[in-house]
Amino acid sequence: AQSVTQPDIHITVSEGASLELRCNYSYGATPYLFWYVQSPGQGLQLLLKYFSGDTLVQGIKGFEAEFKRSQSSFNLRKPSVHWSDAAEYFCAVVDLRYSSASKIIFGSGTRLSIRP
Amino acid sequence: GAGVSQSPRYKVAKRGQDVALRCDPISGHVSLFWYQQALGQGPEFLTYFQNEAQLDKSGLPSDRFFAERPEGSVSTLKIQRTQQEDSAVYLCASSLRTAETQYFGPGTRLLVL
Repeated sequence: AQSVTQPDIHITVSEGASLELRCNYSYGATPYLFWYVQSPGQGLQLLLKYFSGDTLVQGIKGFEAEFKRSQSSFNLRKPSVHWSDAAEYFCAVVDLRYSSASKIIFGSGTRLSIRP
Repeated sequence: GAGVSQSPRYKVAKRGQDVALRCDPISGHVSLFWYQQALGQGPEFLTYFQNEAQLDKSGLPSDRFFAERPEGSVSTLKIQRTQQEDSAVYLCASSLRTAETQYFGPGTRLLVL
């Protein structure tokens, strides 16, 4: 079965430092991959998505992610974090085996804290 | 335009009560999804509608959970005889068409005492 693994439960980085959040997926075909962010009490906001084409994807708020098929990874990066980036981050894959649906499979999330 | 809205935002229920959670998708969006997010976990798929048709309900945890979308717009998730394990945030999402980007509402936080 398809799955998404986010190995880091909680990460703390200093404001202004670079960030990389890891994501690995298990999926037979080329997946549709997403990163969502969830702030406390807020819904999920889409940061970026990969469907096909260029494997380096740019998103909102200065985030980017790189799809690496050989490593089954889709890691999220940001060169310099801001205090407002503190939130929960979810990697997700769409299950395309369902011809009439696009059920999203989410990872368990990585909580990002920012050190002043 | 307006995003996905959900009501109520918070709901406290006594064990055994029935609850109804409402989702207003983005206008014109054909697809509507419900997810359940337990504390400290990622959201998990519950059910999916295309217009008024419920095409996938494989994620509903028991027959106490029921969802409907009678006119292909607003959807209601109903939980009968609530149990403590039903405590979670219930997220609704909609997309313009199948396999397109899903936009999420703020969720309804359900606490069953």
